[in-house]
Amino acid sequence: DGGITQSPKYLFRKEGQNVTLSCEQNLNHDAMYWYRQDPGQGLRLIYYSQIVNDFQKGDIAEGYSVSREKKESFPLTVTSAQKNPTAFYLCASSIYTGTSGFGEQFFGPGTRLTVL
Amino acid sequence: DQQVKQNSPSLSVQEGRISILNCDYTNSMFDYFLWYKKYPAEGPTFLISISSIKDKNEDGRFTVFLNKSAKHLSLHIVPSQPGDSAVYFCAANERNAGKSTFGDGTTLTVKP
Repeated sequence: DGGITQSPKYLFRKEGQNVTLSCEQNLNHDAMYWYRQDPGQGLRLIYYSQIVNDFQKGDIAEGYSVSREKKESFPLTVTSAQKNPTAFYLCASSIYTGTSGFGEQFFGPGTRLTVL
Repeated sequence: DQQVKQNSPSLSVQEGRISILNCDYTNSMFDYFLWYKKYPAEGPTFLISISSIKDKNEDGRFTVFLNKSAKHLSLHIVPSQPGDSAVYFCAANERNAGKSTFGDGTTLTVKP
């Protein structure tokens, strides 16, 4: 089945530790995205990548880093510089349609990160 | 400055009635609009979209209306079902910008 996988679903880390969240897609999509959702709030864009080996900062990139070495993979590292890392993290991908730019996004199941 | 706004955090309707979710935007460069549905602790799923060259798009019980002059779009669900209870996000794309701008969401509750 084609889709996006995020692992793990729940993650616990001690304060001050870096942690990497995995995101893999087998949809052959060009673009990939990372969002953060806090309770009662919408989706805030952390980083996005339109092609391999290229990525751009979103609205809340501070304290996060990404890489896009393969089309299928877009891991997110939450560094110790992120002040409030506890949140629900969502990865997504989309295809470039040409006429309409990038189309709808397909989301993974999310990773809930808790920093103790 | 929030470019996509969903001014109603919540909406409650009776089963069988119409649900109308609203969304306003400020960026005139947006040319493609989408609605997503999200259940708790899951990723959003795409529901329906509309291009700026249209004013209406229909898919089963779901219809999206776009009023470009007012920079307003709405999602109509009719008839509403209890399984429609979820958070609905409005999103807008600027051609080739490579990203979407999301609203904060509206929580829809459909009562049996």
